[in-house]
Amino acid sequence: AQSVAQPEDQVNVAEGNPLTVKCTYSVSGNPYLFWYVQYPNRGLQFLLKYITGDNLVKGSYGFEAEFNKSQTSFHLKKPSALVSDSALYFCAVRDYTSGTYKYIFGTGTRLKVLA
Amino acid sequence: KAGVTQTPRYLIKTRGQQVTLSCSPISGHRSVSWYQQTPGQGLQFLFEYFSETQRNKGNFPGRFSGRQFSNSRSEMNVSTLELGDSALYLCASLTSGKETDTQYFGPGTRLTVL
Repeated sequence: AQSVAQPEDQVNVAEGNPLTVKCTYSVSGNPYLFWYVQYPNRGLQFLLKYITGDNLVKGSYGFEAEFNKSQTSFHLKKPSALVSDSALYFCAVRDYTSGTYKYIFGTGTRLKVLA
Repeated sequence: KAGVTQTPRYLIKTRGQQVTLSCSPISGHRSVSWYQQTPGQGLQFLFEYFSETQRNKGNFPGRFSGRQFSNSRSEMNVSTLELGDSALYLCASLTSGKETDTQYFGPGTRLTVL
């Protein structure tokens, strides 16, 4: 079965500094990988996805993610963090088992951007 | 296009009661998935419906059930509520067209069981 891991429960970064939120995956075959963000009392908002092609994927709100097949990682990055980026971030992978798809989510990483 | 809508946004119930949550997907989306989100367990997949049929199911007890209507709206029912059912319940819709791989989430229903 496919899985994702987010090794950090929380990441703190100063406003204006670059940020990285880590995600590693375990898949058989080519992975479909996603990042979502969740603000308090809200649902998940889609940020970006990797299906195939360029390893650097650009998404919403200035976020990007780098797919690294050799390290089985899909880290989320932003060159300059904003206080408003403070939220809960989820990495997800699409699993294909027994002829059906499921989306498996990591446990989430809370990002705090400090003014 | 309107996004995914969920009603109600908040619910308070007592143990032993049952509850029904509703989800309307993005227009044209035929797949609806339900997730339970708790601080300790993260997002856990409940089930997915496509064209009124349950296509996929997670590892939840039979107290959790769902259905989908011909207009793709979906309902989720939890019977005999337990304290541990307190959670944010999210639904997500998925198109069957070109962008078949991206789920779009509603705002969730916060269920509190007392």
